[in-house]
Amino acid sequence: QQQVKQSPQSLIVQKGGISIINCAYENTAFDYFPWYQQFPGKGPALLIAIRPDVSEKKEGRFTISFNKSAKQFSLHIMDSQPGDSATYFCAASTWNDMRFGAGTRLTVKP
Amino acid sequence: GAGVSQSPSNKVTEKGKDVELRCDPISGHTALYWYRQSLGQGLEFLIYFQGNSAPDKSGLPSDRFSAERTGGSVSTLTIQRTQQEDSAVYLCASTQSPLSTDTQYFGPGTRLTVL
Repeated sequence: QQQVKQSPQSLIVQKGGISIINCAYENTAFDYFPWYQQFPGKGPALLIAIRPDVSEKKEGRFTISFNKSAKQFSLHIMDSQPGDSATYFCAASTWNDMRFGAGTRLTVKP
Repeated sequence: GAGVSQSPSNKVTEKGKDVELRCDPISGHTALYWYRQSLGQGLEFLIYFQGNSAPDKSGLPSDRFSAERTGGSVSTLTIQRTQQEDSAVYLCASTQSPLSTDTQYFGPGTRLTVL
């Protein structure tokens, strides 16, 4: 079953714009919510992560917003750059299990 | 230092054959995960090893799939009697500790194609 739902499937943004990717989860036992960035031919790499006791986390141009009551979290990429073009996966995990969203293919046009 | 390595990088096999995929985690990492990434799909959890404990096999899609981890380090994922729907990229990841807040480091994956 799909425990983490991610949208949109694909996203096209102009350079300098804001990219927003949303995820929703079902299992309230999840206690860690990472985002991974994957370039073609590479494995996913951790981008930024948040725990449910925090509503927002910012690292450079990347921000996670977390809404525990709604069981939703999102990734915002400010001032999007062509080099950000990749597939982004949200995930939710407990200590022994990690569930991923289906991924969002982001294209940033120059 | 060296990251997670996987071999082979590509594997083409015929339907019904058995295949073995290898993962070398980062030295000292106690937890190891296998995932499957099908075309156009997200990452699917397969199996989790923590130290010498019995693995969590809850994600294995069928009894044709098995995995072992020898000496708490190298892991092998075996798929018996491969089917075309097994075609996917198989990813391995390791973490320093089993805590859910620990960063997972992924290998480059093995692309399996079943003809």
